[in-house]
Amino acid sequence: EIVLTQSPGTLSLSPGERGTLSCRASQSVTSSYLAWYQQKSGQAPRLLIYGASSRATGIPDRFSGSGSGTDFTLTISRLEPEDFAVYYCQQYGTSPWTFGQGTKVEIK
Amino acid sequence: EVQLVQSGAEVKKPGESLEISCKGSGYSFTSYWIAWVRQMPGKGLEWMGIIYPGDSDSRYSPSFQGQVTISADKSISTAYLQWNSLKASDTATYYCATVSGYYDFWSGYPRGAFEIWGQGTMVTVSS
Repeated sequence: EIVLTQSPGTLSLSPGERGTLSCRASQSVTSSYLAWYQQKSGQAPRLLIYGASSRATGIPDRFSGSGSGTDFTLTISRLEPEDFAVYYCQQYGTSPWTFGQGTKVEIK
Repeated sequence: EVQLVQSGAEVKKPGESLEISCKGSGYSFTSYWIAWVRQMPGKGLEWMGIIYPGDSDSRYSPSFQGQVTISADKSISTAYLQWNSLKASDTATYYCATVSGYYDFWSGYPRGAFEIWGQGTMVTVSS
């Protein structure tokens, strides 16, 4: 099973700042089959990024994904108030599909 | 509008059976795999399994194999998650989601992220 480790656990930032979230895999993620999701309190997750770097439909361009192999990054260029949430990475290249434990982005 | 609508919250006792549902609309239900995801209180996301409603082909995470059953009725565009004997540790919110992308014949799995999510079904198991 591929273990995804996200860091940091909590990221404290102010609106307008840049956020950088990391997702490290215990082994290489097949063909960059890696996704990022945003989950706000009491809501279902929302797909942000798939294929490591492709934005999902309707996702603002302040969200970008990068990386390959075992190291992946989600960058939020300028945090908007609605971006404060928990973010999860997920690999869907090797069964069982797995999620990271999440990074909480909170208002500083 | 593409959407998945899940059944309502459930409160059950240990040992009871349960089936929750996920109804798709606004797209070809038989053309996309449906995934089920568990989220225990205050915890992260866990992939449970997937089903292809077109022919009910299914795959399970080893952690959930034998613990739950995933099924689908394509005639009413609905997928199901079923337990025969609930435990207190099954208390969680369960989400269904469509799996985008393509089917990889070599691996036997679809290759896609979880694109459209249901609103979640909260299941509470308590004596």
